[in-house]
Amino acid sequence: GIQVEQSPPDLILQEGANSTLRCNFSDSVNNLQWFHQNPWGQLINLFYIPSGTKQNGRLSATTVATERYSLLYISSSQTTDSGVYFCAVRGAGGTSYGKLTFGQGTILTVHP
Amino acid sequence: DGGITQSPKYLFRKEGQNVTLSCEQNLNHDAMYWYRQDPGQGLRLIYYSQIVNDFQKGDIAEGYSVSREKKESFPLTVTSAQKNPTAFYLCASSQRGRGASEQFFGPGTRLTVL
Repeated sequence: GIQVEQSPPDLILQEGANSTLRCNFSDSVNNLQWFHQNPWGQLINLFYIPSGTKQNGRLSATTVATERYSLLYISSSQTTDSGVYFCAVRGAGGTSYGKLTFGQGTILTVHP
Repeated sequence: DGGITQSPKYLFRKEGQNVTLSCEQNLNHDAMYWYRQDPGQGLRLIYYSQIVNDFQKGDIAEGYSVSREKKESFPLTVTSAQKNPTAFYLCASSQRGRGASEQFFGPGTRLTVL
């Protein structure tokens, strides 16, 4: 099945710094989502971005489907950005139904 | 308020007992999913349902069972056959199962086997 790799596994920032999280995937996809998992475990949808670029406030994301990667940018980080960021993809193959395959996540810690 | 609800939030089970986790959605989504998350890991698919009265096994279905009698409800039963059931369980839904469609998640249920 499709493989998803996220980097870096851990990231520690000072408040106000910028960061880039990367997601590489091994095959064609027709769905790519970025999530933020808060300390209570809730998965919060950040972006639905199978291709192209989107922005939402301090966050933006770019997916280059032909080169099989996606980037999540966080600018002017805040302590509330701390948590785990997941990339999840749905393979474009006909048998993958709606299944999302998740990466292992990037643990982000923002210090005041 | 549209969304996905899961109950209970925390669940404790003795070895050998079956337990049922509830998932309800009022988003009018056709497809629903159950995922499992172990500490420090991503999510893995247990079962999914594209439509009422139909469901399919995911990657780690052994020891679990589901039903889909109503569009808005997709309960998961963790049976005594599941060897390592302690985990965080998340339910999700999407507008449709086939084709690309954004998935939304409930708040999760933490199951601990005593």
